[in-house]
Amino acid sequence: SQKIEQNSEALNIQEGKTATLTCNYTNYSPAYLQWYRQDPGRGPVFLLLIRENEKEKRKERLKVTFDTTLKQSLFHITASQPADSATYLCAPTGGSQGNLIFGKGTKLSVKP
Amino acid sequence: DTGVSQDPRHKITKRGQNVTFRCDPISEHNRLYWYRQTLGQGPEFLTYFQNEAQLEKSRLLSDRFSAERPKGSFSTLEIQRTEQGDSAMYLCASSRATNTEAFFGQGTRLTVV
Repeated sequence: SQKIEQNSEALNIQEGKTATLTCNYTNYSPAYLQWYRQDPGRGPVFLLLIRENEKEKRKERLKVTFDTTLKQSLFHITASQPADSATYLCAPTGGSQGNLIFGKGTKLSVKP
Repeated sequence: DTGVSQDPRHKITKRGQNVTFRCDPISEHNRLYWYRQTLGQGPEFLTYFQNEAQLEKSRLLSDRFSAERPKGSFSTLEIQRTEQGDSAMYLCASSRATNTEAFFGQGTRLTVV
């Protein structure tokens, strides 16, 4: 069955450092991979979408990579700030995956 | 464009009662998704619609759960004979297509006592 794994439940880093979050998937071939941010008590908010033919995508301090051979996406936040503290969710989708299924998320805490 | 709205925001019900939630997606969004989320977990997929057609339903979803999207507009999620394990946040999202961003509502928090 389809499986999505995000590297760790929690990630603690110091302000100013780069946060790197991992998303691995198995048993399907998505055409896209989406990343969302979720704050406590609120619905997820879309951040970035990367296509299978794109190796890397950037938006301000965010960078996403998508390696279809490794079946992995990396999500980077550079110059992290305490305001970046949230849970980050990945969702491989499209291709053989018609719906929108999320990993369990990684809770990022950025300490000042 | 007022975003995705869900009603009610909170629901407290006694075990064994039926509850129904409503989701109004962004207009012209063809896809509508329902999720359940418990504390510390990611959104768990329940079902999704392409217009009025229900294309997939999670195998983890019991027969007590049913969803509809008449006329491809708003959607309802009904839970029959609620159990304490149904207590969770129920999220609705809509999107234009698979390869576009999904917009989420604020969710309905269900507490079964």
